[in-house]
Amino acid sequence: DAGVIQSPRHEVTEMGQEVTLRCKPISGHNSLFWYRQTMMRGLELLIYFNNNVPIDDSGMPEDRFSAKMPNASFSTLKIQPSEPRDSAVYFCASSRTEVNTGELFFGEGSRLTVL
Amino acid sequence: SQQGEEDPQALSIQEGENATMNCSYKTSINNLQWYRQNSGRGLVHLILIRSNEREKHSGRLRVTLDTSKKSSSLLITASRAADTASYFCATSHSGNTPLVFGKGTRLSVIA
Repeated sequence: DAGVIQSPRHEVTEMGQEVTLRCKPISGHNSLFWYRQTMMRGLELLIYFNNNVPIDDSGMPEDRFSAKMPNASFSTLKIQPSEPRDSAVYFCASSRTEVNTGELFFGEGSRLTVL
Repeated sequence: SQQGEEDPQALSIQEGENATMNCSYKTSINNLQWYRQNSGRGLVHLILIRSNEREKHSGRLRVTLDTSKKSSSLLITASRAADTASYFCATSHSGNTPLVFGKGTRLSVIA
């Protein structure tokens, strides 16, 4: 079975540019999570979806960040405009159940560098 | 914050030795999970222990949970160089809230 697939793996962009990160969860999984990882703050939950519906976006830093899940097999995280402090590794993870207590399956991450 | 805290932040041991990492948390949990992250890779689930369990084994991994002390430990026995990675605990708290991750322990196993 394919795991969680994220693209791009690496992105270098300039401040002010729009960034779109993509995620394909494992087929049949009902929950999808976006995390951000930095040395300073560790792994932070940005937003999660159950059955394609956003449940909690309180972790999204500000209005520059938005996430969508138009169907069960695809999600995007968009940053517009990007800033240097957005530099981090962004992980997508999926889970089998709607109850958020089970095992998470992570993608390999998208490393974003904003110059 | 519900975030768990791992201790130590970094650990360096010789191959063949045992490695013990600890995790403390602040509020009651449904379960506690341990994940591993190799450099430049995503996190991989290792083991889940429920709040009514005290100990769990998986291969060379042993996890204990003490809910009275709000703490857990991960023991890796007979460590190998390939165990070099960061290890994270993640806690599931009451209600339908997602996992909260600690900042991890960086383990280096020297051959």
